[in-house]
Amino acid sequence: DVKVTQSSRYLVKRTGEKVFLECVQDMDHENMFWYRQDPGLGLRLIYFSYDVKMKEKGDIPEGYSVSREKKERFSLILESASTNQTSMYLCASSLDQSSYEQYFGPGTRLTVT
Amino acid sequence: AQTVTQSQPEMSVQEAETVTLSCTYDTSESDYYLFWYKQPPSRQMILVIRQEAYKQQNATENRFSVNFQKAAKSFSLKISDSQLGDAAMYFCAYALIQGAQKLVFGQGTRLTINP
Repeated sequence: DVKVTQSSRYLVKRTGEKVFLECVQDMDHENMFWYRQDPGLGLRLIYFSYDVKMKEKGDIPEGYSVSREKKERFSLILESASTNQTSMYLCASSLDQSSYEQYFGPGTRLTVT
Repeated sequence: AQTVTQSQPEMSVQEAETVTLSCTYDTSESDYYLFWYKQPPSRQMILVIRQEAYKQQNATENRFSVNFQKAAKSFSLKISDSQLGDAAMYFCAYALIQGAQKLVFGQGTRLTINP
């Protein structure tokens, strides 16, 4: 089975802190994605990556950056956390550009105070 | 831009009964995929069913089936013989076949199963 893991289930940070959310997949998938999930808004794509060191902006990239130094790992970075970034963050991966099934991690509930 | 709308924030159904979750979408494209994803209370999202827009036949996976109306841009999910394990958030999603694999999600529908 494909396993996508995220470094923390719950995280509490202060406004202005730099925050790193880590995601690792163990099935040699080419594609990785970061979403945020908010009630009434569904999931919105922040950034995605098709390959190592490659990244593309999603629908809501403002205030976020990403890093993909290794194929299995995709990091989401909040350069200066703000209270409006309090949310559930979901990581996902998919095999390659011909595959549309995405496999999701358990999510990180981030609270910024 | 493509949008996906789920107009039912919450639904409930008696165990063993049938329930239908609604989804509409807006796109000017002709080739695309539609999906239903399930997010149980443990939060790990999983794919339930997928429909290719070029296929007229509605997709079916065991107790889960879809009613795909391309002209109406409607994509509903029917769950037959509902079970307690079907309780979850259900998300409808859209993706273009060509180009990026980006998924566009609807707002979600929380399904409760009453024993």
